[in-house]
Parts: sequence; C-alpha cells; structure tokens
Amino acid sequence: SQQGEEDPQALSIQEGENATMNCSYKTSINNLQWYRQNSGRGLVHLILIRSNEREKHSGRLRVTLDTSKKSSSLLITASRAADTASYFCASNQAGTALIFGKGTTLSVSS
Amino acid sequence: GAVVSQHPSRVICKSGTSVKIECRSLDFQATTMFWYRQFPKQSLMLMATSNEGSKATYEQGVEKDKFLINHASLTLSTLTVTSAHPEDSSFYICSAPLAGDLYNEQFFGPGTRLTVL
Repeated sequence: SQQGEEDPQALSIQEGENATMNCSYKTSINNLQWYRQNSGRGLVHLILIRSNEREKHSGRLRVTLDTSKKSSSLLITASRAADTASYFCASNQAGTALIFGKGTTLSVSS
Repeated sequence: GAVVSQHPSRVICKSGTSVKIECRSLDFQATTMFWYRQFPKQSLMLMATSNEGSKATYEQGVEKDKFLINHASLTLSTLTVTSAHPEDSSFYICSAPLAGDLYNEQFFGPGTRLTVL
C-alpha cells in the first residue's frame, strides 16, 4: 500500500533554479521523511520532520509539514546537476513501517 | 548514524531456484525489520514486517510461502525468495528502526538487486 501521492511526478529544471516537490498522505503520522534515490541505487536519507514540527532546513533543503492538510513539501534551492534523482516522501505512525509515496523524478540540466 | 547492511548486493539466478537475502543491523539491535520491493521506475512497496522471535506479518497480496522471512536474532533478518521466477526480479530493500526511538527513525540497507533468468 502507498501512503500518498507526490506531485509533480516529473520535474525538469535548469541548474540554479529551485525545485519544489509536494507530498500528501492519508493517515495521521509520527514523522515524515524525504529520501533521494539515484537511478539503480539505494536510498539516501535527506531529512526527517516530526509531526510537531512545521519546517526544517538542512543545507539547500527546506521541508515543510502541514498536518492539517496532510501534506509536506521539499524545496531544493540553487539546484545542481547532481541533484538529478528520484525523490520520495515516506511517513509512518509509531512502530510501523514507512509507507512511501510514488515519488518525483527530478532532472536538472546544466 | 545506525548502519544496516544487505547481502548480496546483486544476484542473478535461474528460474526455479531459491535465493536468500540477508539484512543485518551492524551497530544496533532491531526487534523489527521491514522488507520492501521496488520494481523499475516505481516506488518502494512494503512486503512484510519481520519480528524477532515470531512470525512475520505480510502485506496484502504478498505470498508468505514464496517470500520466507526469518528473524532469528536481534541483528539479522533473512528473506528467501523460493522458486524464483522472472517476475520476482526486483530491487529488495530492508530497513530497521532503532528500538526505543519514539519517533522511529528507520535505517535502510543498500538493497539487493535480484535478476531471475
């Protein structure tokens, strides 16, 4: 089963531009996490935001969480070609598995 | 951070054979581990929850007799794909939360790519 949807499904931008990806989920959550996955590779954990947090920053990443709307967004600022990857949000309740969204494929061209 | 390993990283086998994939928590104990499957260009789908000392819990549509899970110790869970067929070719990833972590941050293994000929 999948917890929610991400949009857009695919995003193409130029280097230096910002990329925004959105994620919606269906049930109440404990935390929400964002992951990156390069083609054919494993997951890279980017950031975790807890259900009582509204915004979190890590380097060029900014994540927001709106529990009233059951949605989150990931902003990558000043994108680079190396940011080209698939991005997934995943959420869970305490003690349960992470359930992943369908993902956004980001392509950054130089 | 906590480290989870998987072995093998890649396996190619003939149709009808069984393949065992190991998931280990290297520097922490994991009473629970999760197994996911990812088909090309798709997201990760939860297959089952592996519980140390008890039976695994399978998600709807996942055949428990085909995907055997054994969580024999607090640091090791194994997934055996029995009588593998080409449609079982996929990327298998395990994860484990830190026990006692209220917010249950989970740590993922690097994945195992299974190709069934």
